[in-house]
Amino acid sequence: AQSVTQLDSQVPVFEEAPVELRCNYSSSVSVYLFWYVQYPNQGLQLLLKYLSGSTLVKGINGFEAEFNKSQTSFHLRKPSVHISDTAEYFCAKGTYKYIFGTGTRLKVLA
Amino acid sequence: NAGVTQTPKFRVLKTGQSMTLLCAQDMNHEYMYWYRQDPGMGLRLIHYSVGEGTTAKGEVPDGYNVSRLKKQNFLLGLESAAPSQTSVYFCASSFPDVGVYEQYFGPGTRLTVT
Repeated sequence: AQSVTQLDSQVPVFEEAPVELRCNYSSSVSVYLFWYVQYPNQGLQLLLKYLSGSTLVKGINGFEAEFNKSQTSFHLRKPSVHISDTAEYFCAKGTYKYIFGTGTRLKVLA
Repeated sequence: NAGVTQTPKFRVLKTGQSMTLLCAQDMNHEYMYWYRQDPGMGLRLIHYSVGEGTTAKGEVPDGYNVSRLKKQNFLLGLESAAPSQTSVYFCASSFPDVGVYEQYFGPGTRLTVT
Protein backbone atom coordinates (compact mmCIF):
# COMPACT_ATOMS: atom_id res chain seq x y z
CA ALA A 1 0.00 0.00 0.00
CA GLN A 2 1.07 3.54 -0.71
CA SER A 3 2.24 5.49 2.32
CA VAL A 4 3.78 8.76 3.43
CA THR A 5 5.62 8.91 6.72
CA GLN A 6 6.37 12.02 8.73
CA LEU A 7 8.26 10.73 11.73
CA ASP A 8 8.37 14.01 13.66
CA SER A 9 5.01 15.01 15.08
CA GLN A 10 6.40 18.21 16.60
CA VAL A 11 9.52 20.24 15.89
CA PRO A 12 10.41 23.19 18.12
CA VAL A 13 13.06 25.55 16.78
CA PHE A 14 14.30 28.98 17.71
CA GLU A 15 13.67 31.94 15.46
CA GLU A 16 16.33 32.46 12.75
CA ALA A 17 17.57 28.87 13.15
CA PRO A 18 17.43 26.39 10.26
CA VAL A 19 14.83 23.64 10.19
CA GLU A 20 14.30 20.36 8.39
CA LEU A 21 10.98 18.54 8.37
CA ARG A 22 11.29 14.94 7.29
CA CYS A 23 9.09 13.04 4.87
CA ASN A 24 9.56 9.52 3.52
CA TYR A 25 7.32 7.92 0.93
CA SER A 26 6.63 4.47 -0.42
CA SER A 27 8.33 3.91 -3.73
CA SER A 28 6.38 3.61 -6.98
CA VAL A 29 6.94 4.05 -10.70
CA SER A 30 5.71 7.62 -10.82
CA VAL A 31 6.28 9.84 -7.84
CA TYR A 32 4.60 13.16 -7.38
CA LEU A 33 5.21 14.81 -4.02
CA PHE A 34 3.86 17.87 -2.26
CA TRP A 35 4.30 19.90 0.89
CA TYR A 36 1.31 21.80 2.23
CA VAL A 37 1.17 24.22 5.15
CA GLN A 38 -1.76 24.73 7.49
CA TYR A 39 -1.76 27.87 9.62
CA PRO A 40 -3.90 27.81 12.78
CA ASN A 41 -7.62 27.55 12.05
CA GLN A 42 -7.13 27.63 8.29
CA GLY A 43 -7.19 25.26 5.38
CA LEU A 44 -4.11 23.88 3.66
CA GLN A 45 -2.13 25.74 1.05
CA LEU A 46 0.57 24.48 -1.27
CA LEU A 47 4.19 25.23 -0.34
CA LEU A 48 5.88 23.35 -3.16
CA LYS A 49 5.67 20.30 -5.37
CA TYR A 50 7.92 17.81 -7.13
CA LEU A 51 6.66 16.31 -10.37
CA SER A 52 9.88 15.73 -12.32
CA GLY A 53 13.16 17.40 -13.24
CA SER A 54 15.45 19.09 -10.74
CA THR A 55 15.55 17.30 -7.42
CA LEU A 56 15.79 20.58 -5.51
CA VAL A 57 12.43 22.29 -5.46
CA LYS A 58 11.90 25.83 -4.27
CA GLY A 59 8.61 26.96 -2.83
CA ILE A 60 6.96 29.94 -1.25
CA ASN A 61 8.10 31.69 1.93
CA GLY A 62 11.74 30.60 1.51
CA PHE A 63 11.08 26.87 1.82
CA GLU A 64 12.73 24.25 -0.35
CA ALA A 65 12.69 20.47 -0.53
CA GLU A 66 14.97 17.86 -2.00
CA PHE A 67 13.69 14.77 -3.76
CA ASN A 68 15.91 11.78 -3.02
CA LYS A 69 14.88 8.70 -4.96
CA SER A 70 17.40 6.31 -3.42
CA GLN A 71 16.33 7.20 0.11
CA THR A 72 12.65 7.68 -0.85
CA SER A 73 12.67 11.01 0.97
CA PHE A 74 11.36 14.51 0.33
CA HIS A 75 12.54 16.59 3.26
CA LEU A 76 11.48 20.21 3.67
CA ARG A 77 14.05 22.80 4.70
CA LYS A 78 14.30 26.46 5.53
CA PRO A 79 17.62 28.11 6.38
CA SER A 80 16.17 30.67 8.80
CA VAL A 81 12.68 30.42 10.29
CA HIS A 82 10.39 33.19 11.48
CA ILE A 83 7.72 33.21 14.15
CA SER A 84 5.17 33.37 11.34
CA ASP A 85 6.30 29.92 10.11
CA THR A 86 4.61 28.34 13.13
CA ALA A 87 2.11 25.98 11.52
CA GLU A 88 1.45 22.36 10.70
CA TYR A 89 3.15 20.95 7.63
CA PHE A 90 1.90 18.03 5.61
CA CYS A 91 3.72 15.93 3.08
CA ALA A 92 1.57 14.27 0.41
CA LYS A 93 2.02 11.91 -2.51
CA GLY A 94 -0.21 11.35 -5.49
CA THR A 95 -1.75 12.86 -8.59
CA TYR A 96 -5.48 13.48 -8.59
CA LYS A 97 -5.73 11.59 -5.28
CA TYR A 98 -3.33 12.13 -2.43
CA ILE A 99 -1.99 10.11 0.45
CA PHE A 100 -1.11 12.50 3.27
CA GLY A 101 1.41 12.08 6.03
CA THR A 102 0.27 12.62 9.60
CA GLY A 103 1.74 16.13 9.76
CA THR A 104 4.52 17.91 11.64
CA ARG A 105 3.80 20.82 13.95
CA LEU A 106 6.54 23.40 13.61
CA LYS A 107 6.73 25.74 16.59
CA VAL A 108 9.10 28.65 16.21
CA LEU A 109 10.29 30.03 19.53
CA ALA A 110 11.34 33.62 20.16
CA ASN B 1 -12.57 34.75 -6.65
CA ALA B 2 -13.71 33.26 -3.36
CA GLY B 3 -11.89 30.00 -4.08
CA VAL B 4 -13.29 27.14 -2.01
CA THR B 5 -15.89 27.97 0.62
CA GLN B 6 -17.49 25.72 3.22
CA THR B 7 -20.75 26.08 5.11
CA PRO B 8 -21.13 25.99 8.09
CA LYS B 9 -17.87 26.79 9.90
CA PHE B 10 -18.93 25.17 13.18
CA ARG B 11 -21.66 22.74 14.15
CA VAL B 12 -22.62 20.73 17.21
CA LEU B 13 -24.83 17.69 16.70
CA LYS B 14 -26.36 15.15 19.03
CA THR B 15 -25.81 11.47 18.33
CA GLY B 16 -28.26 10.28 15.69
CA GLN B 17 -28.93 13.68 14.15
CA SER B 18 -28.26 14.34 10.49
CA MET B 19 -26.66 17.23 8.68
CA THR B 20 -25.23 18.32 5.36
CA LEU B 21 -21.98 20.19 4.79
CA LEU B 22 -21.80 22.33 1.70
CA CYS B 23 -18.68 22.99 -0.33
CA ALA B 24 -18.61 25.45 -3.20
CA GLN B 25 -15.81 26.39 -5.60
CA ASP B 26 -15.69 29.10 -8.24
CA MET B 27 -12.58 27.94 -10.12
CA ASN B 28 -14.39 25.64 -12.56
CA HIS B 29 -12.49 22.66 -11.16
CA GLU B 30 -13.53 19.20 -12.25
CA TYR B 31 -12.42 17.31 -9.16
CA MET B 32 -13.64 17.84 -5.63
CA TYR B 33 -12.81 16.09 -2.37
CA TRP B 34 -13.95 15.72 1.22
CA TYR B 35 -11.37 15.01 3.92
CA ARG B 36 -11.50 14.68 7.65
CA GLN B 37 -8.64 15.78 9.86
CA ASP B 38 -8.07 14.17 13.24
CA PRO B 39 -5.15 14.76 15.62
CA GLY B 40 -2.16 12.60 14.78
CA MET B 41 -3.84 11.12 11.70
CA GLY B 42 -3.34 13.78 9.06
CA LEU B 43 -6.02 14.17 6.42
CA ARG B 44 -7.99 11.17 5.27
CA LEU B 45 -10.08 11.12 2.14
CA ILE B 46 -13.78 10.42 2.71
CA HIS B 47 -15.26 10.72 -0.80
CA TYR B 48 -14.33 12.46 -3.98
CA SER B 49 -15.83 13.41 -7.31
CA VAL B 50 -14.23 13.55 -10.74
CA GLY B 51 -17.07 15.47 -12.32
CA GLU B 52 -20.68 16.55 -12.08
CA GLY B 53 -22.92 13.63 -11.25
CA THR B 54 -20.07 11.26 -10.29
CA THR B 55 -18.75 10.32 -6.86
CA ALA B 56 -16.39 7.70 -5.49
CA LYS B 57 -15.36 6.34 -2.11
CA GLY B 58 -12.13 7.34 -0.48
CA GLU B 59 -10.26 5.87 2.44
CA VAL B 60 -12.91 6.35 5.17
CA PRO B 61 -16.37 6.53 3.52
CA ASP B 62 -18.48 4.70 6.10
CA GLY B 63 -21.21 6.82 7.68
CA TYR B 64 -21.05 9.52 4.99
CA ASN B 65 -22.79 10.16 1.71
CA VAL B 66 -22.04 12.75 -0.96
CA SER B 67 -23.64 14.33 -3.98
CA ARG B 68 -22.36 16.45 -6.86
CA LEU B 69 -25.43 17.69 -8.66
CA LYS B 70 -23.69 20.85 -9.87
CA LYS B 71 -20.07 21.17 -10.90
CA GLN B 72 -19.36 23.91 -8.41
CA ASN B 73 -20.92 22.21 -5.36
CA PHE B 74 -20.05 19.08 -3.42
CA LEU B 75 -22.23 18.08 -0.48
CA LEU B 76 -21.25 15.81 2.39
CA GLY B 77 -24.04 14.22 4.39
CA LEU B 78 -24.12 12.51 7.75
CA GLU B 79 -27.37 10.55 8.06
CA SER B 80 -26.98 9.50 11.70
CA ALA B 81 -24.11 11.26 13.42
CA ALA B 82 -21.85 9.37 15.83
CA PRO B 83 -19.27 10.73 18.30
CA SER B 84 -16.56 9.10 16.14
CA GLN B 85 -17.44 11.63 13.45
CA THR B 86 -16.29 14.52 15.61
CA SER B 87 -13.60 16.03 13.44
CA VAL B 88 -12.59 18.94 11.24
CA TYR B 89 -13.84 18.49 7.69
CA PHE B 90 -12.07 20.00 4.72
CA CYS B 91 -13.25 20.30 1.18
CA ALA B 92 -10.78 20.67 -1.68
CA SER B 93 -10.92 21.02 -5.43
CA SER B 94 -8.48 20.56 -8.28
CA PHE B 95 -8.09 20.66 -12.03
CA PRO B 96 -5.74 17.71 -12.40
CA ASP B 97 -4.06 18.32 -15.70
CA VAL B 98 -0.70 16.68 -16.35
CA GLY B 99 1.82 18.59 -14.28
CA VAL B 100 -0.86 20.41 -12.33
CA TYR B 101 -2.06 18.38 -9.39
CA GLU B 102 -2.47 21.09 -6.78
CA GLN B 103 -5.51 20.87 -4.56
CA TYR B 104 -7.17 24.02 -3.22
CA PHE B 105 -8.64 23.76 0.25
CA GLY B 106 -11.53 25.41 2.01
CA PRO B 107 -11.24 26.81 5.55
CA GLY B 108 -12.80 23.78 7.21
CA THR B 109 -15.88 22.88 9.25
CA ARG B 110 -15.44 21.90 12.88
CA LEU B 111 -18.05 19.32 13.80
CA THR B 112 -18.68 18.06 17.31
CA VAL B 113 -21.02 15.13 17.93
CA THR B 114 -22.14 14.70 21.54
